Amino acid sequence: GAVVSQHPSRVICKSGTSVKIECRSLDFQATTMFWYRQFPKKSLMLMATSNEGSKATYEQGVEKDKFLINHASLTLSTLTVTSAHPEDSSFYICSASQWGELFFGEGSRLTVL
Amino acid sequence: SQKIEQNSEALNIQEGKTATLTCNYTNYSPAYLQWYRQDPGRGPVFLLLIRENEKEKRKERLKVTFDTTLKQSLFHITASQPADSATYLCALDENRDDKIIFGKGTRLHILP
Repeated sequence: GAVVSQHPSRVICKSGTSVKIECRSLDFQATTMFWYRQFPKKSLMLMATSNEGSKATYEQGVEKDKFLINHASLTLSTLTVTSAHPEDSSFYICSASQWGELFFGEGSRLTVL
Repeated sequence: SQKIEQNSEALNIQEGKTATLTCNYTNYSPAYLQWYRQDPGRGPVFLLLIRENEKEKRKERLKVTFDTTLKQSLFHITASQPADSATYLCALDENRDDKIIFGKGTRLHILP
């Protein structure tokens, strides 16, 4: 199946700093990628839909200025958590769709101190 | 709005038995429903997709059913093995579009 790679898998940062997470589709072109957030023992929550060459579509309650999404090419989408705070600590996962299936990255564990 | 309920947070099954997980939705029937496996600290992995006009789909030891009258999908693992232990997520399209929403998942433990 299709492969989606996410980097970094773990990141620890200080409050107030910004962190960038990359999501790459390795063997297919993804015009649309999705970013999710997952808290322990909770379901995946869709944060935003990332569209190549255009602005991302954010879900209700997700701060656009806080979670910057850039989808500059057909194989790369990035999520930047700006001015991170401890409450932003979470597991962030991206996915891309091909043939009606969603393929997920390995996830990125963000810890904000 | 559409809600997904996976009624068992955790399920313990003896090795070799069939594990059955339940997924219920509350409103209109989705165009399709999906099941994913998620291991701790990892992203979900797609297992099966079943469309609204399909009642059953199989893949090796996995079987999924879709009952639009009951608004329910059942996910079965036959001849379960300890390696099947994971969290299984049910997902469906929220508004019959590409937006997918997920249930909270059921943590399945296969006991040796």
